[in-house]
Amino acid sequence: GAGVSQSPRYKVAKRGQDVALRCDPISGHVSLFWYQQALGQGPEFLTYFQNEAQLDKSGLPSDRFFAERPEGSVSTLKIQRTQQEDSAVYLCASSQGQVHNSPLHFGNGTRLTVT
Amino acid sequence: DAKTTQPPSMDCAEGRAANLPCNHSTISGNEYVYWYRQIHSQGPQYIIHGLKNNETNEMASLIITEDRKSSTLILPHATLRDTAVYYCIVRVALETGANSKLTFGKGITLSVRP
Repeated sequence: GAGVSQSPRYKVAKRGQDVALRCDPISGHVSLFWYQQALGQGPEFLTYFQNEAQLDKSGLPSDRFFAERPEGSVSTLKIQRTQQEDSAVYLCASSQGQVHNSPLHFGNGTRLTVT
Repeated sequence: DAKTTQPPSMDCAEGRAANLPCNHSTISGNEYVYWYRQIHSQGPQYIIHGLKNNETNEMASLIITEDRKSSTLILPHATLRDTAVYYCIVRVALETGANSKLTFGKGITLSVRP
């Protein structure tokens, strides 16, 4: 079946531009996570949704980062006024959420380069 | 979440078993051991998880020591396509039924040589 889909695969933004990254989770998956992965590092947690509710946003690095999931399915991660330090791969993951501890399934990410 | 310790890298010969160690000496009773791997330019891929019993699936086996302070991921017959970064993660099981996040470390880079 279809996995987690992220678009675009690559994004180049000039410093100061706003960007929007999209995540289509696996159909029926209740939980959705966003991670940021810098080059050579492991993924770092950003935020977590259970259906449309954003239950944890403790990992968002600044108020320039905003995530939404209005209908409990597709999610968008928005970064305003991008800075060079925002350059990273942004990963989305989903899980069933009906059984606790269900594994997360990741997309292949969006590579953001801020010039 | 409890932290894990993994060597930075290891290699093995194609066709041989790859045994990847992980220490998690501060693990709590409600925390599972998860393994993921990440092949270059892809997202992390779920491999296996367990609480205290050994687990096996089509990809790998997970051996957890009796005191739960360490574990080993075993790839029985490594191939070149198994070259990746492998992450050992301890994840708390929430009683509410909600999902808890995964906290990644640096992982171990496995290189499978021909």
